[in-house]
Amino acid sequence: EPEVTQTPSHQVTQMGQEVILRCVPISNHLYFYWYRQILGQKVEFLVSFYNNEISEKSEIFDDQFSVERPDGSNFTLKIRSTKLEDSAMYFCASRAGGAIMETQYFGPGTRLLVL
Amino acid sequence: SQQGEEDPQALSIQEGENATMNCSYKTSINNLQWYRQNSGRGLVHLILIRSNEREKHSGRLRVTLDTSKKSSSLLITASRAADTASYFCATLMDTGRRALTFGSGTRLQVQP
Repeated sequence: EPEVTQTPSHQVTQMGQEVILRCVPISNHLYFYWYRQILGQKVEFLVSFYNNEISEKSEIFDDQFSVERPDGSNFTLKIRSTKLEDSAMYFCASRAGGAIMETQYFGPGTRLLVL
Repeated sequence: SQQGEEDPQALSIQEGENATMNCSYKTSINNLQWYRQNSGRGLVHLILIRSNEREKHSGRLRVTLDTSKKSSSLLITASRAADTASYFCATLMDTGRRALTFGSGTRLQVQP
């Protein structure tokens, strides 16, 4: 069964460093998402992406964040200058498209720790 | 405002018993979905129920939706130790944001 994959599974970085989190969505999916979950808290929406552009973003997704689909298969989340509070599990999700009601399938997540 | 609040926050039962988790939300929704998360792992989609549906089944899972009360319940029948996980409801609003809004989850512990 096709699945969303994410790399790396864990990343440790120093405050102020740039990180790139990678996702490979399910191959025929058209809508892509990033969510994050700070330890012990709710899963929060960051950004959605469709047709090579951001379709929606939350207040968390500030200028330090960017997303890209560089090659038609990967979908990346870049944090330009990490802060301690960026430490979280980051989930990528994708859905096929068509009706908005379709299921979003999540990847296993990347656990980011900012020191 | 908070969307998608589950109760109880934690639930401990014996293997073979049924587990019921509830979710309440505040705004009009397109659909409501339940996800499972094993400790520190990814989110596994369990079931989606649309706003015009009242009940859905999938294996040992039964989900109900009451849009008049803005609430949903997830029932796991004949629970197993492997069902131990956190369970989250997530809503897709009818208008406005087109991304999922998650609740804070119920931690289910099934004792063997």
